[in-house]
Parts: sequence; structure tokens; C-alpha cells
Amino acid sequence: AQKVTQAQTEISVVEKEDVTLDCVYETRDTTYYLFWYKQPPSGELVFLIRRNSFDEQNEISGRYSWNFQKSTSSFNFTITASQVVDSAVYFCALSEAGTGNQFYFGTGTSLTVIP
Amino acid sequence: GAGVSQSPSNKVTEKGKDVELRCDPISGHTALYWYRQRLGQGLEFLIYFQGNSAPDKSGLPSDRFSAERTGESVSTLTIQRTQQEDSAVYLCASSLVYTSLAKNIQYFGAGTRLSVL
Repeated sequence: AQKVTQAQTEISVVEKEDVTLDCVYETRDTTYYLFWYKQPPSGELVFLIRRNSFDEQNEISGRYSWNFQKSTSSFNFTITASQVVDSAVYFCALSEAGTGNQFYFGTGTSLTVIP
Repeated sequence: GAGVSQSPSNKVTEKGKDVELRCDPISGHTALYWYRQRLGQGLEFLIYFQGNSAPDKSGLPSDRFSAERTGESVSTLTIQRTQQEDSAVYLCASSLVYTSLAKNIQYFGAGTRLSVL
């Protein structure tokens, strides 16, 4: 079974629009971390954020915000006022203590911001 | 080093040849991971190292794939008798430790793009 599901394969938005990337995870562990990574066209994955399972506070960093809801097993990522430089593939990932901290990645969401 | 370094960045080979892909992790990172990313796909876990040991090799696709790590530093992923389905980007990541969930942020290299003709 897929542990991390990113149902949106591709999204296109016009510059300055807000966009939300969905991530749904599955785990039986009570201790786990969730991550978002950005993969620009250059190919190198860039770490964006990590949240642990005990902290459901939403987080905001500039134009980025993350909404972690354990009740729905979701960790969604919103980009406000999108810019062309946000165009990339975004991956959500799960790491759980019960499986020895192995990372499980979603299949990614390709975001295109149109100028 | 400043980041995870992978070489070569691109590799074109003929079907049936062996290839070696190299990864230099961030200095001091004891955990090292290999992933495969096929075109337009997500990341497929291959293997990880804790120090020089590989406790989990379950992701290696076949016995044509092997990996080693020496000096708790450089790792080499070897693919023998390459096949066209091996064509992909091979990504390496490292983290401070593997056993601590709190310290397990993976930092990735730019990958090696392997094309098997």
C-alpha cells in the first residue's frame, strides 16, 4: 500500500495565484515525521520542511505554509502569491520510527506557474 | 564538503555494460541513501548505509545491483549488465544519523542520469 499519496500529478496556475498541494499519508506509528521537498528543473531535491507527529501547529514561512491534520492524515502545502520560480516538482515524504526511519516518498506534484 | 556530490552527472552506456555511480556525502553524515527516479516518477528507495553497513538492501531491484561504502564516506552503486529499464536518475542522500528520527533530515545530491542504449 502506498504510504504517501499525492493525488495531484500536475497543477498549473497563473502567477500570483495561491495553490495548495495535497499530501495524504498512512502510518500506524505514533512517532513519525513528515517532509516536503522541492525538485526544481535542475534536479536536486531541496528540503523545505519537517514536522513531527506530536506537533500539529500550522507553520508559515514567507509565502509557504503547511497544514498538518492528524485527523485526516494530511499534510498539505500552500504557496501564496505563486511565482515562476516556484515551478518544480514537489514531493511529500514520511519517515516513521517503526520502520527504522526509512523515507517513503509520494509520487510528486508537478507545479507550473505561468507568467 | 558543502553538499552531497554525485558523479558522473550523466552516464550513457550500452546495454550489457557495467556502470559505477559515486556519491560523496556531506562530511560527518553517517547515514547514506540511494534512490532511483524514473522519468516522471517518484523516488524509489534502493538501499541505505549506517556507517559502512547496509542493514536494508530490500529495495535493490535485482542481483545486478550492489552498493558499498567505505570509510563512512564515499559510496558506490554498481549496476552490472545494464538493461534499458535501468535508465533513470540515481539520487544519493545523506543525513547525520539514521537511528534518530529527530536528526534524520536527508540532503540530496543532484543525481546521476543514467541512459542505457
